[in-house]
Amino acid sequence: DAGVTQSPTHLIKTRGQHVTLRCSPISGHKSVSWYQQVLGQGPQFIFQYYEKEERGRGNFPDRFSARQFPNYSSELNVNALLLGDSALYLCASHTYGQDEKLFFGSGTQLSVL
Amino acid sequence: SQQGEEDPQALSIQEGENATMNCSYKTSINNLQWYRQNSGRGLVHLILIRSNEREKHSGRLRVTLDTSKKSSSLLITASRAADTASYFCATEGISGYSTLTFGKGTMLLVSP
Repeated sequence: DAGVTQSPTHLIKTRGQHVTLRCSPISGHKSVSWYQQVLGQGPQFIFQYYEKEERGRGNFPDRFSARQFPNYSSELNVNALLLGDSALYLCASHTYGQDEKLFFGSGTQLSVL
Repeated sequence: SQQGEEDPQALSIQEGENATMNCSYKTSINNLQWYRQNSGRGLVHLILIRSNEREKHSGRLRVTLDTSKKSSSLLITASRAADTASYFCATEGISGYSTLTFGKGTMLLVSP
């Protein structure tokens, strides 16, 4: 069975540009969550989607947006990139509910120069 | 913002020794989970303990939860070099559906 796939693996952008990150969940999972992990810190919650609807949003500016498609894959978009957006962006696939464990992809390493 | 705080930040032990990591959190929770991360890539779920549970075992892992002290511990027995990784605790709040708040993690180095 395929795990959670994220693309691209690495990305280098300059300040002011925008970026789109992609995630395909595990087959059968209808929920995707996005996390940002800055070097030396734990992951921080950005968004959660279930059945194509936003079900949760973390404390991130409006420059961050996301969506989920009918096949449950998801995109995370970040506009007007700042140096501080440099981080590992992790996608997690899971069923929607309490007491569920998350299955993470390998992440996209974004560097903003 | 980070809810959990792991202690210690870094831990270095020899193969065969036990490793204990602690986690504290601030708000009421549904459950607390532990994840492992190798080389700064994807996280792997290790174990989940619900708020009404006090102790849970999985292979060489033992997790305890004290909701009165808002703290948890992860014990890895008979450590192996392959256990070298960063370990994170994560909490699901009482109003959160699969939304986790992670701590800053403990870096574990197991030397042969």
